[in-house]
Amino acid sequence: GAVVSQHPSRVICKSGTSVKIECRSLDFQATTMFWYRQFPKKSLMLMATSNEGSKATYEQGVEKDKFLINHASLTLSTLTVTSAHPEDSSFYICSARLVELGYTFGSGTRLTVV
Amino acid sequence: AQKVTQAQTEISVVEKEDVTLDCVYETRDTTYYLFWYKQPPSGELVFLIRRNSFDEQNEISGRYSWNFQKSTSSFNFTITASQVVDSAVYFCALSERDFGNEKLTFGTGTRLTIIP
Repeated sequence: GAVVSQHPSRVICKSGTSVKIECRSLDFQATTMFWYRQFPKKSLMLMATSNEGSKATYEQGVEKDKFLINHASLTLSTLTVTSAHPEDSSFYICSARLVELGYTFGSGTRLTVV
Repeated sequence: AQKVTQAQTEISVVEKEDVTLDCVYETRDTTYYLFWYKQPPSGELVFLIRRNSFDEQNEISGRYSWNFQKSTSSFNFTITASQVVDSAVYFCALSERDFGNEKLTFGTGTRLTIIP
C-alpha cells in the first residue's frame, strides 16, 4: 500500500537551532502533501499544504518564516522549524493525498526544544 | 467553514463491552468525505474508513461498524466486543474543498480506554 515515510521520529534540539523534518512517499508520487501539528492530548491542526514545484499554502496564524516548507520533488516534502523555541515543541505529522483512501499519514515526529 | 465535533472526550469500558463513538459534522458542501482514524500511543494515524457524502449505507468491518446519517450530520463509530488493543484516541475527520483548496478537518478526538 501507499506508504509515507517520515523522519526523524524523535528529535531534541536546543533553542535557536533549526530542525528539518522529511516526509517521503515511498511507492507513489505525491503532488500535494499536508503538514499537521498536534499538541499533547489535542487534535491535529493543519499548518500548511505543500505543493510540488510551487509555494506552500499556509493556514491562518502559521508563521511562514518559522515553518519553512519545501516540496522540491514528487516524493519529498520537508518542514524546517527555524530558530526553534520551547513553544515549538510538538508532534508534527505529514500526510499525502491518495485517490483510493483519501489520505495516508507519516508516523510523526516528536520535536522537543530545550 | 467546516467543523467536526466529537463530544466524548474520554470513554472507558470494560473489555467485551460494545462502545459507540459519536461524530457530528458541519459543512456547506454537498460533496464531502468523512473519515475515522485511530491513533495508538505510538502516535501514527491508522486509517479506518472513508465515506463519501452520497453513500449513506452503513458499513461493517469485523468488530467495527459505522452509521452515517446525513439527516443528523452524524457519522458514528461502534466497536463491538471491545478488546484492550482497541485502546487509542479515535479521530473523526471531514474533507471538503474550501475555495478550491482541499482541507481535512479533524475533530478533537475521543480517548478510548478498554479495561481488562
